[in-house]
Amino acid sequence: GAGVSQTPSNKVTEKGKYVELRCDPISGHTALYWYRQSLGQGPEFLIYFQGTGAADDSGLPNDRFFAVRPEGSVSTLKIQRTERGDSAVYLCASSPNRGRLTEAFFGQGTRLTVV
Amino acid sequence: RKEVEQDPGPFNVPEGATVAFNCTYSNSASQSFFWYRQDCRKEPKLLMSVYSSGNEDGRFTAQLNRASQYISLLIRDSKLSDSATYLCVVSRPGNTPLVFGKGTRLSVIA
Repeated sequence: GAGVSQTPSNKVTEKGKYVELRCDPISGHTALYWYRQSLGQGPEFLIYFQGTGAADDSGLPNDRFFAVRPEGSVSTLKIQRTERGDSAVYLCASSPNRGRLTEAFFGQGTRLTVV
Repeated sequence: RKEVEQDPGPFNVPEGATVAFNCTYSNSASQSFFWYRQDCRKEPKLLMSVYSSGNEDGRFTAQLNRASQYISLLIRDSKLSDSATYLCVVSRPGNTPLVFGKGTRLSVIA
């Protein structure tokens, strides 16, 4: 389909390892968001891209987290030296907004488990 | 204080009941308001936007009270398929990300 695609759907990694999570937004959507959701919580904002640039990265919890969107389409969220507390579902969303926020379409998420 | 606050529930209601969820937001500059629905182990999906004048979509009615910084969602004639978590969502002016509440869990029981 033409929705937001996230890979992998599940990732189990050992504490201290490096992981990359990929997001393919809906074609033509300029805005891309990364959120993190823990059990029983709402999605927590991490970073927002408008085109290739990070318009707001205030939600990244620390410098182990980094995200890129080099060509304004696919984005990769990178987590270094993973910790057990990083375990969560990482959600990506895209939106066609130009100035005023419109509906955000979410992917099915990547479930990250750090053991 | 959290920027968006919701009663987490759960709300357990019989089929056919009317149920209402409330949400408060702390940032008076918030500009856009939404209700998203999230099924278990699925991604959030837009249920409806919330307009200043209030709006209705079938069995669902959303209302906004800017003075009290309060949003509500009313579901009439509840169906089993309405069982889900309902997320209150707010955005500030400009190109800013959506801010989500923790969600309110609804279970509709036969």
